[in-house]
Amino acid sequence: DAKTTQPTSMDCAEGRAANLPCNHSTISGNEYVYWYRQIHSQGPQYIIHGLKNNETNEMASLIITEDRKSSTLILPHATLRDTAVYYCIVREAAGNKLTFGGGTRVLVKP
Amino acid sequence: EAGVTQFPSHSVIEKGQTVTLRCDPISGHDNLYWYRRVMGKEIKFLLHFVKESKQDESGMPNNRFLAERTGGTYSTLKVQPAELEDSGVYFCASSPSWGVGFYNSPLHFGNGTRLTVT
Repeated sequence: DAKTTQPTSMDCAEGRAANLPCNHSTISGNEYVYWYRQIHSQGPQYIIHGLKNNETNEMASLIITEDRKSSTLILPHATLRDTAVYYCIVREAAGNKLTFGGGTRVLVKP
Repeated sequence: EAGVTQFPSHSVIEKGQTVTLRCDPISGHDNLYWYRRVMGKEIKFLLHFVKESKQDESGMPNNRFLAERTGGTYSTLKVQPAELEDSGVYFCASSPSWGVGFYNSPLHFGNGTRLTVT
């Protein structure tokens, strides 16, 4: 089972920042938090990942709380093309696989 | 750099027939994974290759599914005989080297093969 909890859906206004929360209260110290998204009819697309520190790349920022029990993915200026299902995944150190949950369905509205 | 490519993009077969899906990982990636999403369900792990060896096949649903990665390059996933419940989207992913940095390397997914069994 997935080790994360995300809201089922959320709306966001085009041009505004989208903040996607994720809870992972049982995360272990050496496990990474990964974010992927799936746009309709495409494969999961890698966004960003982190262990302890906040991370930023050209797509998004990842804020991880100090106790590592939750994180937030920030899309700084959402566009209509960011409409997708966003998956927060704890990559388990004991195994090789990513375990996908239900994700958050994000709808960016004009 | 070419991404992960999968072939075919769609396949429609009848129950009892055989289908073979192909995945070409990103060049140089030792790790290759198969996942699938069946209707209404979440994306599920099937198996993981490190080069040509099966590292983890705990997600394979039954012995009708056979995955191979001869030579450690491309991989095939054969379903024989196909059943109705095998319908879904089959994704392949790859990531760089096994060992140091493994968990710090993202998986890169292809766009999947949509399999419909009628």
